[in-house]
Amino acid sequence: EVQLLESGGDLVQPGGSLSLSCAASGFTFSSYAMNWVRQAPGKGLEWVSGISGSGGSTYYADSVKGRFTISRDNSENTLYLQLHSLRVEDTAVYYCARWDAAFFYDSSGYYTGVDYWGLGTLVTVSS
Amino acid sequence: QSVLTQPPSASGTPGQRVTISCSGSSSNIGNNYVYWYQQLPEAAPKLLIYTNHQRPSGVPDRFSGSKSGTSASLAISGLRSEDEADYYCAAWDDSLSGYVFGSGTKVTVL
Repeated sequence: EVQLLESGGDLVQPGGSLSLSCAASGFTFSSYAMNWVRQAPGKGLEWVSGISGSGGSTYYADSVKGRFTISRDNSENTLYLQLHSLRVEDTAVYYCARWDAAFFYDSSGYYTGVDYWGLGTLVTVSS
Repeated sequence: QSVLTQPPSASGTPGQRVTISCSGSSSNIGNNYVYWYQQLPEAAPKLLIYTNHQRPSGVPDRFSGSKSGTSASLAISGLRSEDEADYYCAAWDDSLSGYVFGSGTKVTVL
């Protein structure tokens, strides 16, 4: 059974930093790209960042580019997200989400999508 | 404002069929696969439809997806009370180099 367990959410002041982790189990971690998706209170889903199975390719939403860094440790089956220069608008539940393949696109060059989600961890940015 | 456009709400009585639309462009739906997610109240999203119309094991065949050009739709037939949830479409956007979601549709069972 695929399991994704996020941790690290906390209350932090604007301008502060935070580190999120996602412990994965139930599948071969290195064979799947991984992502972070967030949901502000009462709002919709917003993709934040993605990383390929090997870690060689990373993608970021414009809203977090230059402030957040995604990484993974395939030996520890763990996904990370470093959050810096936090803003009030970064307040959200952050979900760890598995892509359905090692790369974001299939053999035909078409991009696929997220298939499994964690339960989320709450990040609150407030003074 | 979301890149993919969904109606904010949809409703039906038990047993009815409800359809949710998702409108995009050639850089997302028009050129990549569409995925649909169900988010029950106070829960994490769950995959409902992948690669436009495929259902993961365990998802009832009351749920079906389709795609035509730059639009997609999710249909729920035989509506049940447990289908009350928020539904999101998603697709990769080639121009943004990112995964984009619709704004979400809240389904209410009357």
